[in-house]
Amino acid sequence: SQTIHQWPATLVQPVGSPLSLECTVEGTSNPNLYWYRQAAGRGLQLLFYSVGIGQISSEVPQNLSASRPQDRQFILSSKKLLLSDSGFYLCAWSGEAPGYTFGSGTRLTVV
Amino acid sequence: GIQVEQSPPDLILQEGANSTLRCNFSDSVNNLQWFHQNPWGQLINLFYIPSGTKQNGRLSATTVATERYSLLYISSSQTTDSGVYFCAVDLTTDSWGKFQFGAGTQVVVTP
Repeated sequence: SQTIHQWPATLVQPVGSPLSLECTVEGTSNPNLYWYRQAAGRGLQLLFYSVGIGQISSEVPQNLSASRPQDRQFILSSKKLLLSDSGFYLCAWSGEAPGYTFGSGTRLTVV
Repeated sequence: GIQVEQSPPDLILQEGANSTLRCNFSDSVNNLQWFHQNPWGQLINLFYIPSGTKQNGRLSATTVATERYSLLYISSSQTTDSGVYFCAVDLTTDSWGKFQFGAGTQVVVTP
């Protein structure tokens, strides 16, 4: 069966520090991968999506970047965090079967 | 872009009560999915339902694509039903793509 792993679960980082969040999917090949952010409140905003290795599309201009170095690995990065980068970051994947499946999320607090 | 509106924004239920959550969308969609976000932040797939009716235990959903709305029914609610319920729609016709999420309905079920 397919599983999605996301880590770390929580992270507290100072302003100006770098960021690296990792997401991996098991049990499938060539998934579509997505990074979402959920700020305080409820809305989920799509940040990046990828349909293959090295193929990244950005939905909103921001202080973050994404990379897909392997088929089932998706990384969210920043060189210098801002206070406004705080939030709950969720990775998701989709494949041949309909629907999204989300990871458990990373709660990032920038201080 | 497509607008996704969920109502009500907040709902307080006594255990055992029934409720209906609504999702309106402003354009024709190819895919629609309901999610439940539990108090720990995990987003759980409930239904993939671009049209028609589906049931899973005490939950059921109906999407009337021609009228651009979907309903999620919770029957005999339990405290474990608490959390935020999201509707998400996708316009893309090729591979699974970029979902647009509604703002969610916060449900609190009291004992």
